[in-house]
Amino acid sequence: GDSVTQMEGPVTLSEEAFLTINCTYTATGYPSLFWYVQYPGEGLQLLLKATKADDKGSNKGFEATYRKETTSFHLEKGSVQVSDSAVYFCALGFGGGKLIFGQGTELSVKP
Amino acid sequence: DADVTQTPRNRITKTGKRIMLECSQTKGHDRMYWYRQDPGLGLRLIYYSFDVKDINKGEISDGYSVSRQAQAKFSLSLESAIPNQTALYFCATSDRDRGEQYFGPGTRLTVT
Repeated sequence: GDSVTQMEGPVTLSEEAFLTINCTYTATGYPSLFWYVQYPGEGLQLLLKATKADDKGSNKGFEATYRKETTSFHLEKGSVQVSDSAVYFCALGFGGGKLIFGQGTELSVKP
Repeated sequence: DADVTQTPRNRITKTGKRIMLECSQTKGHDRMYWYRQDPGLGLRLIYYSFDVKDINKGEISDGYSVSRQAQAKFSLSLESAIPNQTALYFCATSDRDRGEQYFGPGTRLTVT
């Protein structure tokens, strides 16, 4: 069945470090891919999305490219801030319906 | 005002009690979802509804039921709560054309 696998956390970085959170997926067909962020005590917020192969989603300095050949959608940011500390979820979905989420990766950024 | 609201935000209940979690949205979306979040397991889909007359089970529907009272309201019930239903519960909405979902702030439920 369809599934999403993320790198395990927690990930701890110093401020201004480069961030990569790996996400790979298994799907029959051509899903849309999403990254959501959950700040402490809050619900999930859409961070970025890509709907087809080679699309790059970007928002707030975060980027991810839909790589069909490697079935991946890795999240990157060039210089993280303390305020980026949160849990990040990769997800896939088809046509405005259900989403399938990865297990989440906790990021902690130290000053 | 928040587009997706959930009540209550926190609830402690005892084993065997019936409890209802409520979700309301002002986004005008047709589709609504209930998820539970457990540490290390991500979000798992409990039930979803693509319109008022369409209710579907998700991957972990046992022990739960739902009611779609109106386009804007979708309630989740635990008929007889048990301790392993202790979790964070999220409601979400989406429209039929765009894939992204919009989440409420969550309800933290503890069953003792």
